[in-house]
Amino acid sequence: EAGVVQSPRYKIIEKKQPVAFWCNPISGHNTLYWYRQNLGQGPELLIRYENEEAVDDSQLPKDRFSAERLKGVDSTLKIQPAELGDSAVYLCASSPFGAGNNEQFFGPGTRLTVL
Amino acid sequence: LAKTTQPISMDSYEGQEVNITCSHNNIATNDYITWYQQFPSQGPRFIIQGYKTKVTNEVASLFIPADRKSSTLSLPRVSLSDTAVYYCLVGDRTGTASKLTFGTGTRLQVTL
Repeated sequence: EAGVVQSPRYKIIEKKQPVAFWCNPISGHNTLYWYRQNLGQGPELLIRYENEEAVDDSQLPKDRFSAERLKGVDSTLKIQPAELGDSAVYLCASSPFGAGNNEQFFGPGTRLTVL
Repeated sequence: LAKTTQPISMDSYEGQEVNITCSHNNIATNDYITWYQQFPSQGPRFIIQGYKTKVTNEVASLFIPADRKSSTLSLPRVSLSDTAVYYCLVGDRTGTASKLTFGTGTRLQVTL
């Protein structure tokens, strides 16, 4: 069974540029999560989807971050414009069980460097 | 939201049993305790989950006392490949109220 797929694995951009990350969850998983992980810290939840609905986006900086999950399958996280402080690893995870503290399957992440 | 506290780091020799304790004093009735493992340049990986008493699987055991205010992840006979960061999470399994916080985790270093 294929795991959570994320692309690109690495991205280097200059500040004020836009950037997008893509995630394809495990087939059949209706819950999808986006996390941001700063160096030396644990992952921080940005947004959680149940199918195509964003049910928890309270941690998403909505002035520059946006996300979508059209058709309730794959998802895109966008930053526009990027700032130096956005440098981090962006992780996508999925779960088959719906909301809550259930086993999440993580992708390898996208390492973003903003210069 | 239940906040968790873990040691920042631990060291162990290969072949020893390692116990990592997590404190979660304000755990709620519906909360479960979950542990994840993370290697460098990888996403976290689920290890084990429990609600009370003891849970065991092929890689670890989870001990939860009756008051559920703490839990202990036990790794039997660790090897070098167990060097990783271990996160304790507490949260409910239902509803939109769930918001999981990974915290800073415990960095386990296993040496020969």
